[in-house]
Amino acid sequence: KAGVTQTPRYLIKTRGQQVTLSCSPISGHRSVSWYQQTPGQGLQFLFEYFSETQRNKGNFPGRFSGRQFSNSRSEMNVSTLELGDSALYLCASVKGDRFSHEQYFGPGTRLTVT
Amino acid sequence: AQKVTQAQTEISVVEKEDVTLDCVYETRDTTYYLFWYKQPPSGELVFLIRRNSFDEQNEISGRYSWNFQKSTSSFNFTITASQVVDSAVYFCALKSGNYGGSQGNLIFGKGTKLSVKP
Repeated sequence: KAGVTQTPRYLIKTRGQQVTLSCSPISGHRSVSWYQQTPGQGLQFLFEYFSETQRNKGNFPGRFSGRQFSNSRSEMNVSTLELGDSALYLCASVKGDRFSHEQYFGPGTRLTVT
Repeated sequence: AQKVTQAQTEISVVEKEDVTLDCVYETRDTTYYLFWYKQPPSGELVFLIRRNSFDEQNEISGRYSWNFQKSTSSFNFTITASQVVDSAVYFCALKSGNYGGSQGNLIFGKGTKLSVKP
């Protein structure tokens, strides 16, 4: 069974630009969550999508947004990039039923903002 | 508020030593889930184990074992006879079980970097 895939794996952007990251969950998984990992703040929850609807959101500014498509693939977008947005962005896939709680992570997208 | 504390920032051991990684959590939820993840240098978080709040049975999987104690709000992870391949950052995480239909989000500790030297 294929795991969670994230593209691209690496990105370099300049301040003020915007970026879109993509995540394809494990086949059959309907829920996707996004996390930001930085050396200072650690792993922080961004948002969760299920059946194309955002169900949960972390404490991040509105510059961070996401969406989910009918095939469960998800994208997250960061507009007006700041230096502090440099991080590893991880996507997690969950089956989505009430009994499944394990989140399976992709390899991440490492974003560098210069 | 929910919180996970991993007091050990870095641990260094020699191969074949046993090592225990500590995790202390805080939550007011009656139903919650605890997890351990491993993050090797490649960056991907690898799921190791999940425990439910209503199941305090300890678990052993090969060289890995987990000790869950609700009385002390701890969920510690022990690696027996450590190997160089165990070198990674290990994260303990907590998730509320009271999110209705939502899967909720994981609250992570800051992680413990384990270095196993040959």
